[in-house]
Amino acid sequence: DQQVKQNSPSLSVQEGRISILNCDYTNSMFDYFLWYKKYPAEGPTFLISISSIKDKNEDGRFTVFLNKSAKHLSLHIVPSQPGDSAVYFCAATPRTGANSKLTFGKGITLSVRP
Amino acid sequence: GAVVSQHPSWVICKSGTSVKIECRSLDFQATTMFWYRQFPKQSLMLMATSNEGSKATYEQGVEKDKFLINHASLTLSTLTVTSAHPEDSSFYICSAGPSGRHEQFFGPGTRLTVL
Repeated sequence: DQQVKQNSPSLSVQEGRISILNCDYTNSMFDYFLWYKKYPAEGPTFLISISSIKDKNEDGRFTVFLNKSAKHLSLHIVPSQPGDSAVYFCAATPRTGANSKLTFGKGITLSVRP
Repeated sequence: GAVVSQHPSWVICKSGTSVKIECRSLDFQATTMFWYRQFPKQSLMLMATSNEGSKATYEQGVEKDKFLINHASLTLSTLTVTSAHPEDSSFYICSAGPSGRHEQFFGPGTRLTVL
């Protein structure tokens, strides 16, 4: 049973436009959500996170929105840059703290066209 | 801050041999570290939780006798793939997080190829 779902395997966006990456979850016990970016043959890099007590968190070009009632979150990247091309993983955990296990989605491959 | 390193970055070994992968937290202490593996074009699969000073906790379906984990200090966890076979070839990644932070930080990964 996949508790974190990234249903779109890929997304292609023109440079300068907005990239919207979606993520859905089924476990109502999740209360902290994270986005990671991954290049091939490298470990994931932390991008941004959001607690369930918030509905939005912004960091530079990256904004994460959380709709808890819909069990849906999204990552917005604006403006998109070619260097943003990578695989993006959504992750969730039922409790905060670095000792908590993360559950990952399957990832979305983002391609930003120059 | 919050840097995690792994060694080696890649390794090629013969079938039947054992391979040890190290994961280090460079600028923080980690009582817990996590080991993942990733097959091509697939998600990260959590293998086990490494606990400093105690036994690791393995996810369902992961053979603890095959994937030995030792977390002997607050900055080092090791994963040993014993009697490796070609199907063990994969990308192994570890993660850890400083106390008080919500995020986990990942090492750069180790590419294991078993011939």
